[in-house]
Amino acid sequence: GDSVTQMEGPVTLSEEAFLTINCTYTATGYPSLFWYVQYPGEGLQLLLKATKADDKGSNKGFEATYRKETTSFHLEKGSVQVSDSAVYFCALASSYKLIFGSGTRLLVRP
Amino acid sequence: GAGVSQSPRYKVAKRGQDVALRCDPISGHVSLFWYQQALGQGPEFLTYFQNEAQLDKSGLPSDRFFAERPEGSVSTLKIQRTQQEDSAVYLCASSLAGGSGATDTQYFGPGTRLTVL
Repeated sequence: GDSVTQMEGPVTLSEEAFLTINCTYTATGYPSLFWYVQYPGEGLQLLLKATKADDKGSNKGFEATYRKETTSFHLEKGSVQVSDSAVYFCALASSYKLIFGSGTRLLVRP
Repeated sequence: GAGVSQSPRYKVAKRGQDVALRCDPISGHVSLFWYQQALGQGPEFLTYFQNEAQLDKSGLPSDRFFAERPEGSVSTLKIQRTQQEDSAVYLCASSLAGGSGATDTQYFGPGTRLTVL
């Protein structure tokens, strides 16, 4: 069945460091791909999405490119802030349902 | 606000008790989803409604779990005879469109954290 694998955390970075969180997927066809973020005490929020190969989703300085060849959707940010500390989930759409990875906790230190 | 709301936010139940979790989706949203999130894991699909019709309940773990959306708006997830393994955060999400909606954004509520003692 469809699945998502993302790098385990926690990832600890200093402010202004470069961020990469790896995400790969297994699916039949070409599903839409998503990154959701969960801030402490809050619900899941959509961060960005891409609906077809080579699409780049971007939001709040975060980017991810849909790579069909490597079945990947890695999340990147050039300069993280303390306020980016959260848990990040990669997900794919399998028809109407979302299939999530296990999440990666990011801790950014001042 | 106009987001998805859930109640209660926290629920503690003794093993064997029945619980009911409520979800108020964004007004006008056709599709409603329930997910279960165990500690340290990503959410897992439980069930899907399009208006009042429950189109997919394949993710419900057992027949102790029951969900309804009788008027196509508010939804309730009921768990009968709770067990310790039911302890998790239960998330509700809604999206605007029906159908496959593969690209529809799902908007999540804050979740209900259920602890079964």
